[in-house]
Amino acid sequence: EAGVTQSPTHLIKTRGQQATLRCSPISGHTSVYWYQQALGLGLQFLLWYDEGEERNRGNFPPRFSGRQFPNYSSELNVNALELEDSALYLCASRPRQLADTQYFGPGTRLTVL
Amino acid sequence: KQEVTQIPAALSVPEGENLVLNCSFTDSAIYNLQWFRQDPGKGLTSLLLIQSSQREQTSGRLNASLDKSSGRSTLYIAASQPGDSATYLCAVSGSRLTFGEGTQLTVNP
Repeated sequence: EAGVTQSPTHLIKTRGQQATLRCSPISGHTSVYWYQQALGLGLQFLLWYDEGEERNRGNFPPRFSGRQFPNYSSELNVNALELEDSALYLCASRPRQLADTQYFGPGTRLTVL
Repeated sequence: KQEVTQIPAALSVPEGENLVLNCSFTDSAIYNLQWFRQDPGKGLTSLLLIQSSQREQTSGRLNASLDKSSGRSTLYIAASQPGDSATYLCAVSGSRLTFGEGTQLTVNP
């Protein structure tokens, strides 16, 4: 069974540009989570999508947004990039139950110059 | 607001030692607690998942315990090996995962 996949592996942008990160969950998983891991900081929760709806949002500005498609894959969009957005962005998927474990993808390394 | 703390922040031990990593959390209303491993620049590998109704889980040389009433979990690693060197993260699950800052473990040959 394929795991969670993310693309691209690496992404280099300049300040003010927009970045789009993609995530494909494990087959049968309906929930997708996004986390940010900036250098020297812990993993911070960004967004949770379930059944196509945004269910919860972490303490991030509105320029961080996303969506979930009918096939449960997801996109994370970051507008007006700032230097401090440079981080590893991890996607995780989960089956239907909240008590189930989350399975993580390998991440996208975003570098903002 | 859930807060998760891990102690120690870093640990360096000789190969073969048994060791304990600690995790504490402030809100006991959790679905489960997970321990993850993260290698430098990589994603997360789930090690153990303890449901809120359970007290411990074991996988090979790893044993994790959960005391929900006191808001504590420990990860016990037996007979440590250089390949165990990584950052170990504790996370508690509500509607989202809340992570600790991690313990950076180095096992020296």
